[in-house]
Amino acid sequence: AQSVTQLDSHVSVSEGTPVLLRCNYSSSYSPSLFWYVQHPNKGLQLLLKYTSAATLVKGINGFEAEFKKSETSFHLTKPSAHMSDAAEYFCVSYNQGGKLIFGQGTELSVKP
Amino acid sequence: ETGVTQTPRHLVMGMTNKKSLKCEQHLGHNAMYWYKQSAKKPLELMFVYSLEERVENNSVPSRFSPECPNSSHLFLHLHTLQPEDSALYLCASSLSYSHRSYEQYFGPGTRLTVT
Repeated sequence: AQSVTQLDSHVSVSEGTPVLLRCNYSSSYSPSLFWYVQHPNKGLQLLLKYTSAATLVKGINGFEAEFKKSETSFHLTKPSAHMSDAAEYFCVSYNQGGKLIFGQGTELSVKP
Repeated sequence: ETGVTQTPRHLVMGMTNKKSLKCEQHLGHNAMYWYKQSAKKPLELMFVYSLEERVENNSVPSRFSPECPNSSHLFLHLHTLQPEDSALYLCASSLSYSHRSYEQYFGPGTRLTVT
């Protein structure tokens, strides 16, 4: 069965330092993968998506993610965190049946 | 957030009330979704409509009743809810239900509190 695992429930970084949010997936075929961000009391906003084209995907707000088939990973990175990046981040896989499979979410805190 | 709108943004209702949540998408999409987001739980898909036909109903209690009168509008009718139904209800839309590269666009959600 398809699944998405976000390895950290909470990540804390200092402003200006790199961000790494980890995601592993399991799928029997080449998946479509997404990262969404959710600020408090807001809906989910798409950061970036991978759909079997370039393995390094660039998204909005300076985020990027790399699809690594050998490691079944799709980690989200940003070179320099900003206070406005504090939010919850969801790694998501597309299911062949039309459903999105959501990870548990990673809460990112950014310290001044 | 102008692509998918939801009203109301906040709703407090008693267990005997009847209310409706509304979702509207201005993106020309053909699929619409209702999700429930409870604290400390993954998003739960509730219903999916594709071209105004319900294609998914994930064992949701009958006190939740969806309606999709056209491809731009989606409603969730609520009646005799329980306190555990308190959650953020998110609406989403996508260009197509079955195409793997079409991401979903989410509305801001309705924060529902059942007293």
